[in-house]
Amino acid sequence: QSVLTQPPSASGAPGQWVTISCSGGSSNIERNSVYWYQQFPGAAPKLLINKNVQRPSGVPDRFSGSKSGTSASLAISGLRSEDEADYYCAAYDSLSGLFVFGSGTEVTVL
Amino acid sequence: EVQLLESGGDLVQPGGSLRLSCAASGFTFFSYAMNWVRQAPGKGPEWVSVISGGGDRTQYADSVRGRFTISRDNSKNTLYLQMNSLGVEDTATYYCAKGNIAGVPAAPYDWGQGTLVTVSS
Repeated sequence: QSVLTQPPSASGAPGQWVTISCSGGSSNIERNSVYWYQQFPGAAPKLLINKNVQRPSGVPDRFSGSKSGTSASLAISGLRSEDEADYYCAAYDSLSGLFVFGSGTEVTVL
Repeated sequence: EVQLLESGGDLVQPGGSLRLSCAASGFTFFSYAMNWVRQAPGKGPEWVSVISGGGDRTQYADSVRGRFTISRDNSKNTLYLQMNSLGVEDTATYYCAKGNIAGVPAAPYDWGQGTLVTVSS
């Protein structure tokens, strides 16, 4: 069971807005930066959001991250078919000394 | 361009050992911490271990501490993971991932394509 909780699935029609939540605690999300990763089937995860809100070079501005207290969110605006993937949040947990990943959310474009 | 190429994955019997390697290029290797992250079939990623850029500091997940050893050779731009006392629960694709800083902890930033480790009799 993951320390960071995400909804197992999210969906939206092309062009719509989808938000994925990541719920943690005071020892991880509240105290440390949150990272978001995108993973397509058979491929390695790719960093999508760095340090809560930063987009690495090449990541479209349709993807945005936010954090408040013990929760974080990833928003995808203008949903496109190529956004169908698994999305994972992650953060360092100061209590355990581990870098922990969320349970993952599968995004489907209807 | 950052390139990370893992190797060493194989089929191994329970109780056996394996050493994974990750050849890095495209960045100043010793300036960044390096992680190993694994992903069991159908599951999410699980962070395994991290080593600082200089190799003097390491951290391990509880599930592998005492069995796995992370190391690096900065003269060869290569990261290693020595895995001993392997169990079926260690079956996964193992990714090496460049950290975002030299020290630890360092979030996985760039990832390799992974190498498959299967533990089975």
